[in-house]
Formats: sequence, C-alpha cells, structure tokens
Amino acid sequence: ETGVTQTPRHLVMGMTNKKSLKCEQHLGHNAMYWYKQSAKKPLELMFVYSLEERVENNSVPSRFSPECPNSSHLFLHLHTLQPEDSALYLCASSQGQAEAFFGQGTRLTVV
Amino acid sequence: RKEVEQDPGPFNVPEGATVAFNCTYSNSASQSFFWYRQDCRKEPKLLMSVYSSGNEDGRFTAQLNRASQYISLLIRDSKLSDSATYLCVVRGGGGSYIPTFGRGTSLIVHP
Repeated sequence: ETGVTQTPRHLVMGMTNKKSLKCEQHLGHNAMYWYKQSAKKPLELMFVYSLEERVENNSVPSRFSPECPNSSHLFLHLHTLQPEDSALYLCASSQGQAEAFFGQGTRLTVV
Repeated sequence: RKEVEQDPGPFNVPEGATVAFNCTYSNSASQSFFWYRQDCRKEPKLLMSVYSSGNEDGRFTAQLNRASQYISLLIRDSKLSDSATYLCVVRGGGGSYIPTFGRGTSLIVHP
C-alpha cells in the first residue's frame, strides 16, 4: 500500500538462530533506513543507506548487520539475538528532503 | 539538549475539543518538517508536511516558527479516531538528510 514492503510481518526466533529481515521499496527512493521501536519507547535509528551517506548508529550491537545490495532492497541480518532485542523493526525509504515512507514492520520476538 | 523534543503526554481530551502539540528542534539549519501519526502497534504514517507559511488540511493545522525553532500541530473538533501518537520529524541541516524523530505525543480522545 505505501510502496515499502517488509517480510516477514512476524518472527519468533531462538537466541541461537540466524534470520534475516527483508525490505523492498517500489518508490524509486534513494535512501533506506532501519529503525527499532521497543514497547513504549521512541523510534531508534539503526542504519541508513543513501547515495549521500551511510550511517550506522554506534550503539547498535554487532549481532545486527545490514545489507543493501541495491537502492530498492535492504536486509537486516540477525544472529545470536537477546530477549531485549524483541521489538518492532521498521524499514523506511525517502528521496532527498521529502518525507519518509514506512513499511508495516516486522514484529520480532526472541525467546 | 535532545535534537527533537516533544511532550509525551498523554493529552486526554473530550470529543470536539481543540488540542495543540508543540515540538522543538535544536538544529537551526533544519530544512524539512513533518508530523506523523502512529497507531498502536502500527507503522508511522505521514500526517502532513509543515511549510514555512503554515498549512492546513481539514481539521489539522501545522505551523513553523524558525526563530524559536518549534513546530506545532493544532487539531480542531477532535474525533475518537484521532487517538494516536503524533510524531514530530525534522530533516536536514549540517549536510545530513536523515530524518530525526521526536519521541511522540500521545493523544486520547474520549466520548
């Protein structure tokens, strides 16, 4: 609906698992973002990929690793996560200074 | 000082009331401003952009005050369906286009 599609919508994984979140945008945007939103907390920027800049939030643990093979696709690879990593993971895209559009998010539960 | 600050609320108002939110930002070079709405357990969605001259969309009015570095959102004739969290977003300044989100203001409209 918004042009930004995230899969899966829900994910339950054990602490020893490896999984990947996928984001795809069909809007022709040149920047893509990963955000984390824990319960009752504000959005936390994790990673940004754009033509102008690539940004990594230094507080994000190395058990999260992004991959951006092209301007339309963004992945978040997960391994050996902790229960406190359970959250809503949101992908967004934007073009220049215009507004960002969000995907519906992946609700991740680490058990 | 946080980059974007909002009163988290909640603002608890009756149907039909007028309610206003403010948001202050620290980077005077910021160039783009937006209000997003986020429903519980959903992704943020653009409510409206904020233009220098102020703008209105139905019951919603947004204002920008560059001198004092704040933006505002006014909601007239509140509806039950307006209950949500309203996020202030600021972009640009210092060579960065990364959108910076406030923590959001919670609005509860009751009968």
